Amino acid sequence: TQLLEQSPQFLSIQEGENLTVYCNSSSVFSSLQWYRQEPGEGPVLLVTVVTGGEVKKLKRLTFQFGDARKDSSLHITAAQPGDTGLYLCVSPNTGNQFYFGTGTSLTVIP
Amino acid sequence: KAGVTQTPRYLIKTRGQQVTLSCSPISGHRSVSWYQQTPGQGLQFLFEYFSETQRNKGNFPGRFSGRQFSNSRSEMNVSTLELGDSALYLCASSLGDRGNIQYFGAGTRLSVL
Repeated sequence: TQLLEQSPQFLSIQEGENLTVYCNSSSVFSSLQWYRQEPGEGPVLLVTVVTGGEVKKLKRLTFQFGDARKDSSLHITAAQPGDTGLYLCVSPNTGNQFYFGTGTSLTVIP
Repeated sequence: KAGVTQTPRYLIKTRGQQVTLSCSPISGHRSVSWYQQTPGQGLQFLFEYFSETQRNKGNFPGRFSGRQFSNSRSEMNVSTLELGDSALYLCASSLGDRGNIQYFGAGTRLSVL
């Protein structure tokens, strides 16, 4: 069983601030996905990273996959209230079973 | 293209009862996975169905069961409900190949009193 640890667990920041969320495991990921879940909704995929060292940008969000493929980070620049939600990292195992991280709950205060 | 539809959205039951939740996947998706989400445990995998067969199973007791129909629609059943079963139950559909994107429904909020 892969265990994905996310930090911090909770984050409350002011609009305009920057933040970074981390996802770590003792196992090597074949690939890793980041989802965001807004209150009352299901998670929605933000990005998939596959290659060690890969960096992907989605507007103000920057995703990085560690060189050893054991960790990933999500950096948000100039956070906005619309970024509020639960951020989840996910990794599929060989049997297409998805393991979710513990989640980071982000609140951006206007 | 319609998204993943879960019904009902909210459900209140009492201990000892049983409940059935429904999930209609995106058209063309053959895999349906079920998850339980609670504040303390986060998102935990229940099981995955692919082409009417259970392909993966998480670490939940036998009170939790599911099935998938020929049109890929899936149902999840929980028997002899316990207070700890109160949670948001999410289903996700995908094409079924390893690493495919999962598309989630809005979930069914189950409260057990």
